[in-house]
Amino acid sequence: SQQGEEDPQALSIQEGENATMNCSYKTSINNLQWYRQNSGRGLVHLILIRSNEREKHSGRLRVTLDTSKKSSSLLITASRAADTASYFCATKENTGFQKLVFGTGTRLLVSP
Amino acid sequence: GAVVSQHPSWVICKSGTSVKIECRSLDFQATTMFWYRQFPKQSLMLMATSNEGSKATYEQGVEKDKFLINHASLTLSTLTVTSAHPEDSSFYICSARDLTSFGADTQYFGPGTRLTVL
Repeated sequence: SQQGEEDPQALSIQEGENATMNCSYKTSINNLQWYRQNSGRGLVHLILIRSNEREKHSGRLRVTLDTSKKSSSLLITASRAADTASYFCATKENTGFQKLVFGTGTRLLVSP
Repeated sequence: GAVVSQHPSWVICKSGTSVKIECRSLDFQATTMFWYRQFPKQSLMLMATSNEGSKATYEQGVEKDKFLINHASLTLSTLTVTSAHPEDSSFYICSARDLTSFGADTQYFGPGTRLTVL
């Protein structure tokens, strides 16, 4: 399977703390994206980082990419209860195909 | 902008019946739509890539005759689960690419359809 892996599988923190999720993938990529999914809902696109970028910020989100290690991390700072959701990384391979390959996901629980 | 809808949001059917799920891009045109399946507490698995006006491209292990995909217009793709069985029960999610937007690599996801086959 080409599916990426994420760790931890589940993360439980208190409001105000930072949450870090890691993603590893297997192939050469064009870009890597992070998505959020609330329980039983569709996915919301959070941030996209291209293969020639090393770090990207968006609000309370910080994403890093290390193509030599085929890994990425998502940091959510000053977490809120509303951040409770599952987070998935997805990679777009460096080929002509447009499909995304999703990681296994991290379930984040932020307690008030 | 960039809204994708799915209908129905949930459906319960008897084993052996067929179920059609619609995916619409509401405010943009999507030459390519994707269909995913997600089992509880698992990740999304791509089933097929749907291209407007042509046959869908199925991922390995996905039965073409069981999961019929039609992408007849730039805003609508349908997934029909034929002769559904309980093991087809899952959360089906579609996504669409907006080629006219700056972030053309971004896929916009529908809210999903929960299928339960009794």
